[in-house]
Amino acid sequence: NAGVTQTPKFRILKIGQSMTLQCTQDMNHNYMYWYRQDPGMGLKLIYYSVGAGITDKGEVPNGYNVSRSTTEDFPLRLELAAPSQTSVYFCASTVSAFPSTDTQYFGPGTRLTVL
Amino acid sequence: GENVEQHPSTLSVQEGDSAVIKCTYSDSASNYFPWYKQELGKGPQLIIDIRSNVGEKKDQRIAVTLNKTAKHFSLHITETQPEDSAVYFCAAYITGNQFYFGTGTSLTVIP
Repeated sequence: NAGVTQTPKFRILKIGQSMTLQCTQDMNHNYMYWYRQDPGMGLKLIYYSVGAGITDKGEVPNGYNVSRSTTEDFPLRLELAAPSQTSVYFCASTVSAFPSTDTQYFGPGTRLTVL
Repeated sequence: GENVEQHPSTLSVQEGDSAVIKCTYSDSASNYFPWYKQELGKGPQLIIDIRSNVGEKKDQRIAVTLNKTAKHFSLHITETQPEDSAVYFCAAYITGNQFYFGTGTSLTVIP
């Protein structure tokens, strides 16, 4: 199993551009999450999904959109990129649904810079 | 929502010494507390966790303690090794809610 994979690893965007961060997991996990990690800060939840076709907002959803058409994929869309979206983005997944907590498996991250 | 504070932000220890990282949380409903290790350029990886019905858990050189009354939990690493150098994050989870992360501790083990 490859686990959780993310592409690209690095990206530089100009203000106003759009892009999609890809996330794929091959563990048949139900739950998937997108976090952002700013320097010196903990991870903040952007969006999460409890299964194909179901998504919900996390703590910091503004400026982002997600979709979950399959169990494996959970892309994060940035529309009209802004400098405030410069961050490292992590995708994660778990096999169990709340309240049965389970290990969160994280991808390697995407480092995004908006200039 | 939940607020998790983590201290210290940086920690340097000599190889073989112990390291302790502390986290406090605000919501007494939090019932699951994982610790993650993040190496440079990689995603966080779970190293140990504890649930609210347990006071202490140990896994080889790593242990976690939980004090529900005081709302704090700590990570203890004994006999530190250079490969323990990384950023460590604590988190608190409320059933049906989400994970709330601390701001991280950068641990350096000096050979």
